[in-house]
Amino acid sequence: QVQLQESGPGLVKPSETLSLTCTVSGGSVSGYYWSWIRQPPGKALEWIAYIYYTGTTYYNPSLKSRVTISLDTPKNQFSLRLSSVTAADTAVYFCARLSASSTIDPWGQGTLVTVSS
Amino acid sequence: QSVVTQPPSASGTPGQRVTISCSGSDSNIGTNPVNWYQRLPGAAPKLLIYGNDQRPSGVPDRFSGSKSGTSASLAISGLQSEDEADYFCAVWHGGLNGPVFGGGTRLTVL
Repeated sequence: QVQLQESGPGLVKPSETLSLTCTVSGGSVSGYYWSWIRQPPGKALEWIAYIYYTGTTYYNPSLKSRVTISLDTPKNQFSLRLSSVTAADTAVYFCARLSASSTIDPWGQGTLVTVSS
Repeated sequence: QSVVTQPPSASGTPGQRVTISCSGSDSNIGTNPVNWYQRLPGAAPKLLIYGNDQRPSGVPDRFSGSKSGTSASLAISGLQSEDEADYFCAVWHGGLNGPVFGGGTRLTVL
């Protein structure tokens, strides 16, 4: 059974870069799309980016200028970098697998990242 | 404001049937399958329904999904206390080339 776990700092200063890693266990990253999704407090979930196992990337246009998603196949991990963060980037960040039929499953349990000085 | 709209709350008593709606547009629900998720506090979202009305293995048949036009619904019959959770819908949005999500519905079992 595939499981995902997010890791990274829980506190990031304004204007700095948020970096998170998702470790995939119980299966390989090959053959799938892998995504990052976030949920700001009191708001709806928002898709950030996804990457195919071949390395092709797709970004939410609203965040594209600040986001980089990457894949480390040997480590079975993928990562998110979000630059120039502000308080508006405070959110629970989830990593998840995205199937070709657009089903998002499974998800990690999420990690809260707070942007504050 | 979400591109896809859900009621913020719903409630029912044990044994009752409740439905949660998800309203979108031609760019998302009107043309793509809807998935439903359950999220318990501190836990990873769990897939309940995929492809509008399909249940993954292990999901009780008390949970069912349907879609008509630009709206979808999740129905929970024989409500149980452990069903108290947040539920959200997710659907592909063609113009975005990515998924969009409902704002979530908090279900309270009275």
